[in-house]
Amino acid sequence: GIQVEQSPPDLILQEGANSTLRCNFSDSVNNLQWFHQNPWGQLINLFYIPSGTKQNGRLSATTVATERYSLLYISSSQTTDSGVYFCAAYYNTDKLIFGTGTRLQVFP
Amino acid sequence: DAGITQSPRHKVTETGTPVTLRCHQTENHRYMYWYRQDPGHGLRLIHYSYGVKDTDKGEVSDGYSVSRSKTEDFLLTLESATSSQTSVYFCAITSDRAPDTQYFGPGTRLTVL
Repeated sequence: GIQVEQSPPDLILQEGANSTLRCNFSDSVNNLQWFHQNPWGQLINLFYIPSGTKQNGRLSATTVATERYSLLYISSSQTTDSGVYFCAAYYNTDKLIFGTGTRLQVFP
Repeated sequence: DAGITQSPRHKVTETGTPVTLRCHQTENHRYMYWYRQDPGHGLRLIHYSYGVKDTDKGEVSDGYSVSRSKTEDFLLTLESATSSQTSVYFCAITSDRAPDTQYFGPGTRLTVL
């Protein structure tokens, strides 16, 4: 099966800073998703992005499928952005493989 | 909100006891999933279902069984709980309107003493 690796594992920012989270995957994937897990444990789907670039407010994501990586950009970070960010990719069409996540802490 | 609830939300049990976790959805989605989340491992798929009575194993299925007798309910059973099954368990669905996107329930924290 595919391997999904995320970096950095931990990130500490001051409010207002920008950040880039990276996701590498070991094989061609048909589906790449980014999730945010808030400090209360709730998992929220941020992006479905098998290729190209998408933006949603202060967050944007880019996937370069031919080079097997995806990036999540957070601009002007806020304390509410804190939590763990996961990328996940499908294999066998219906099973998601998750990376181990990037833990983000944003301080005021 | 994809209308997913999990019960119980918290449970403490003893080694060797059977445990059943329930995932309930209100929108008749075909695909449902059970994951466990552990520090250092992210989320790992236990079992999934692609319809009533249609289930398959994920990457960490040993020690777990599932059943889906109705579209809206997907049950995860630990026949004889072990301390290694202490974890947070998440249910997820794939929306028929957005088949490439998964939506998660609130999670169940299970502690096996």
